[in-house]
Amino acid sequence: DTGVSQNPRHKITKRGQNVTFRCDPISEHNRLYWYRQTLGQGPEFLTYFQNEAQLEKSRLLSDRFSAERPKGSFSTLEIQRTEQGDSAMYLCATHGAGLHYEQYFGPGTRLTVT
Amino acid sequence: AQSVTQLGSHVSVSEGALVLLRCNYSSSVPPYLFWYVQYPNQGLQLLLKYTTGATLVKGINGFEAEFKKSETSFHLTKPSAHMSDAAEYFCAVSERGNQGGKLIFGQGTELSVKP
Repeated sequence: DTGVSQNPRHKITKRGQNVTFRCDPISEHNRLYWYRQTLGQGPEFLTYFQNEAQLEKSRLLSDRFSAERPKGSFSTLEIQRTEQGDSAMYLCATHGAGLHYEQYFGPGTRLTVT
Repeated sequence: AQSVTQLGSHVSVSEGALVLLRCNYSSSVPPYLFWYVQYPNQGLQLLLKYTTGATLVKGINGFEAEFKKSETSFHLTKPSAHMSDAAEYFCAVSERGNQGGKLIFGQGTELSVKP
């Protein structure tokens, strides 16, 4: 257990529905990252926050995806109008100012779109 | 742009044998380098990292890796495999500076350990 929690752990939804995932970081970690991992592949970067500011978004993050980190604490990732291609593991990772370079990963949320 | 290549999507060794997982990177300047391990249905756990200083770095569970700038490599080794080492291993890089940043991962190598 790294101290980063994600909820839910599993989500099954029908195509076209909206879903929201939550990540709770290690306390006082100022950077928070979202990654997507499909079967047999390494994680791919989606977006990251420094405190409450979203500083970078990947081209993978289509306009159906939105992420927030209100007050620089927990973060949410929402997918609107889900498609079957959105089925993947969504991973959250955080690191703090005093812990250079090391990212601590949560257990992930596995999304299945039927 | 940075990229990471892991040679061999699947490696199988016998218990007690040497483990060697290969990683090569492409970057205009030497990046920060990482190895992560992922057990089934779990998140990623950091094994070790190279940021600066000694090029041979030791990590958890008896793993170590050596940064070779001339070969743009960061191969992971363990002298003697244990059954509990069976997992997926990912090599990753991030840009130097600014305390690091987003990780760019290789496609992963699944390690199997035979009794």
